[in-house]
Amino acid sequence: AQSVTQPDIHITVSEGASLELRCNYSYGATPYLFWYVQSPGQGLQLLLKYFSGDTLVQGIKGFEAEFKRSQSSFNLRKPSVHWSDAAEYFCAVVGSGSARQLTFGSGTQLTVLP
Amino acid sequence: EAGVAQSPRYKIIEKRQSVAFWCNPISGHATLYWYQQILGQGPKLLIQFQNNGVVDDSQLPKDRFSAERLKGVDSTLKIQPAKLEDSAVYLCASSLGGSNQPQHFGDGTRLSIL
Repeated sequence: AQSVTQPDIHITVSEGASLELRCNYSYGATPYLFWYVQSPGQGLQLLLKYFSGDTLVQGIKGFEAEFKRSQSSFNLRKPSVHWSDAAEYFCAVVGSGSARQLTFGSGTQLTVLP
Repeated sequence: EAGVAQSPRYKIIEKRQSVAFWCNPISGHATLYWYQQILGQGPKLLIQFQNNGVVDDSQLPKDRFSAERLKGVDSTLKIQPAKLEDSAVYLCASSLGGSNQPQHFGDGTRLSIL
């Protein structure tokens, strides 16, 4: 069965600083990978997704993520964080084969300092 | 396009009472999901529908939880009787279907059990 690990429970950065949120997955074949963001009291919004092809994917709100098969990682990055980026971020994986359930990591809470 | 609609937004009940949640997916989305998100965790899939048929309900506590999707559109999730550990946010999501299609989430129902 697939699994997702987000090793950082909480990250604090200053506004304008760069950001990297870590995500490691476990799955036997090439997975489909997603990053979602959740603001307080709201549902999850899709930031970006990776299915195949170029390992660097661009998403909304200036986010990007890089798929590294050798490290089983799909880290999310943003070069300059805005105060409105404060939220919880979830990495998720779904198997391309019979294991079709979307499995989420436990999330990383991002705090942005002024 | 209109997003996934859920109601109510908040619900407070006492343990052993029953409660029901409603979800209206995005028009044309064949696949509908119910997730349970406990505080501090990522969403966990409870049940997945394809049109009005159940695809996966392996993690649904069937002794107390039930769900239906009449006519392949709206869906309801019911808990009877509720336990303290059912306190969570219940998220509904929909997609066009297929594991490579992103899921679109509603804002969820926050359930508190007293």
